Amino acid sequence: QSVLTQPPSASGTPGQRVTISCSGSSSNIRSSYVYWYQQLPGTAPNLLIYRSDQRPSGVPDRFSGSKSGTSASLAISGLRSEDEADYYCAAWDDSLTLWVFGGGTKLTVL
Amino acid sequence: QVQLQESGPGLVKPSETLSLTCTVSGGSINNYYWSWIRQPAGKGLEWIGRIYTSGSTNYNPSLKSRVTMSVDTSKNQFSLKLSSVTAADTAVYYCARDQGFDYYGMDVWGQGTTVTVSS
Repeated sequence: QSVLTQPPSASGTPGQRVTISCSGSSSNIRSSYVYWYQQLPGTAPNLLIYRSDQRPSGVPDRFSGSKSGTSASLAISGLRSEDEADYYCAAWDDSLTLWVFGGGTKLTVL
Repeated sequence: QVQLQESGPGLVKPSETLSLTCTVSGGSINNYYWSWIRQPAGKGLEWIGRIYTSGSTNYNPSLKSRVTMSVDTSKNQFSLKLSSVTAADTAVYYCARDQGFDYYGMDVWGQGTTVTVSS
């Protein structure tokens, strides 16, 4: 059971906009920034969003993040086949004193 | 740019100690946190813990009694030891640079190394 809650799956067609939610609590998401990682099949996770809504250089602006209260979301616009991957949210938990992850969302591009 | 590479035995016997090393190249190991994360096959990510280059550590409470991390700045390496392993510790183990929850988070990851616990 993950500390952060994500839907196990999401899907969309090419060109569509999809959002992935991440729900937590006052000791993690409310009090910390949220980070999003993309994990392509057979590869290591790659940082997609940092400090809740910032993109590292090289990440397309099709990817955007937001946070409100104890929830966060990742939005992907102009969906492409290469976006098919697992997506994980993460945050620091002040109470547990550790990084916590969501269980991951498998995105399928139909 | 900074690259990380995990190394260590791919097979460990039950009850023994898993030992992995992460080598940092393309940059200095100093003045950062360095984290270990694992992922059982087909499952999600679990943070194991982290070490600062001063030697200060934070461990996941669920693993704390079995985890030891160390850092060797002269070799640009940091290490993980997990004792008394069982089949439940079988996973891909990743090392990552950890710039903290208020900065860039875990921004650079190694490719991962698979560790199987089996007799």
